[in-house]
Amino acid sequence: AQKITQTQPGMFVQEKEAVTLDCTYDTSDQSYGLFWYKQPSSGEMIFLIYQGSYDEQNATEGRYSLNFQKARKSANLVISASQLGDSAMYFCAMREAEYALNFGKGTSLLVTP
Amino acid sequence: DAGVTQSPTHLIKTRGQQVTLRCSPISGHKSVSWYQQVLGQGPQFIFQYYEKEERGRGNFPDRFSARQFPNYSSELNVNALLLGDSALYLCASSFGSPGNTIYFGEGSWLTVV
Repeated sequence: AQKITQTQPGMFVQEKEAVTLDCTYDTSDQSYGLFWYKQPSSGEMIFLIYQGSYDEQNATEGRYSLNFQKARKSANLVISASQLGDSAMYFCAMREAEYALNFGKGTSLLVTP
Repeated sequence: DAGVTQSPTHLIKTRGQQVTLRCSPISGHKSVSWYQQVLGQGPQFIFQYYEKEERGRGNFPDRFSARQFPNYSSELNVNALLLGDSALYLCASSFGSPGNTIYFGEGSWLTVV
């Protein structure tokens, strides 16, 4: 069964606008972690933000924030004030067991001038 | 500080050959994980090592093996290469296991012909 679902294969946003990338997850564990990564065409997986299942506040890192709705099992990434350099693939991932990250299929984001 | 470094960055192998990929984690990080990312998909977990011991193994055949050295660097070996092994191989490091901030290298692009 799919653990991480990213329903948006591709998204467009205009420069300086905010954009939300959706992520829903499936787990029966009480303790888990949620991650977002950015992957430009070069291939490097760039860590953006982390949310623990017990964290009461939504995580924020600069222009990135995570809209964590535990009851809905969603962990959407919000990018504020989009920049052209934000164009990339974005992956949501969940860590259940101690070690493995389960990744979604990704969302391709294109920022237009 | 240097990030996660991987080598080689690109390589081409023939079916049936063997390949060794190398990874140096961020200084101070003791956990190293390997992921395979085929085109158009999210990364799939292969192995995790922590303090030189295997902590987890994904659903990959025995042709895939890995090890971690005393300096916490790691090697991934793939024997009897198949065309389907063509992928981006990503190494990730974190301080602990589990880690809340997991950083990836730029990956090794493997093409099997």
